Amino acid sequence: AQRVTQPEKLLSVFKGAPVELKCNYSYSGSPELFWYVQYSRQRLQLLLRHISRESIKGFTADLNKGETSFHLKKPFAQEEDSAMYYCALLTGGGNKLTFGTGTQLKVEL
Amino acid sequence: SAVISQKPSRDICQRGTSLTIQCQVDSQVTMMFWYRQQPGQSLTLIATANQGSEATYESGFVIDKFPISRPNLTFSTLTVSNMSPEDSSIYLCSVELEGGHGYTFGSGTRLTVV
Repeated sequence: AQRVTQPEKLLSVFKGAPVELKCNYSYSGSPELFWYVQYSRQRLQLLLRHISRESIKGFTADLNKGETSFHLKKPFAQEEDSAMYYCALLTGGGNKLTFGTGTQLKVEL
Repeated sequence: SAVISQKPSRDICQRGTSLTIQCQVDSQVTMMFWYRQQPGQSLTLIATANQGSEATYESGFVIDKFPISRPNLTFSTLTVSNMSPEDSSIYLCSVELEGGHGYTFGSGTRLTVV
């Protein structure tokens, strides 16, 4: 069965420090992975998807099939990056999202 | 991209009663998805709703408890029936973005059962 693991419930970094939010997945098929972000009092929104290989708000994530990982990285954290981040795996014939438990990122001044 | 309006945004309900949550999308979509997020936990898919057919439920979720309607391509409802405190959660609807660029979510319904 598919599974997404985000080992850290809370990650605290100082402003300007690098950020890495970990995500590992378990899936026998070809994975399609996403990062979603939820800022305080806002709805869940798509941050980026591995297929597009884009950088959004300075964040990047590379799919590593060997390590079954899709870690989210940013070289210099900003205060506005403080939010809840969810890694998600698309399965079920391409229409079922399996979410990790989320990591709360707190950027301190 | 599709914009989802979900209501109510929150409600406090008595155990044994039912609550219907509405999800309206500003464009036509084939599939709509309903998720639950229990306190301190991640999002779990409840069911997938296609217009004109019965919803497909995930393991652990049944139609009697979570009946879903999908009368047209822009609207769906999820009913939480015969509620107990364990049903206290955030319920979210979701649709696929155009071009298969991911999924967008409604703002959620925060349900508290007392």
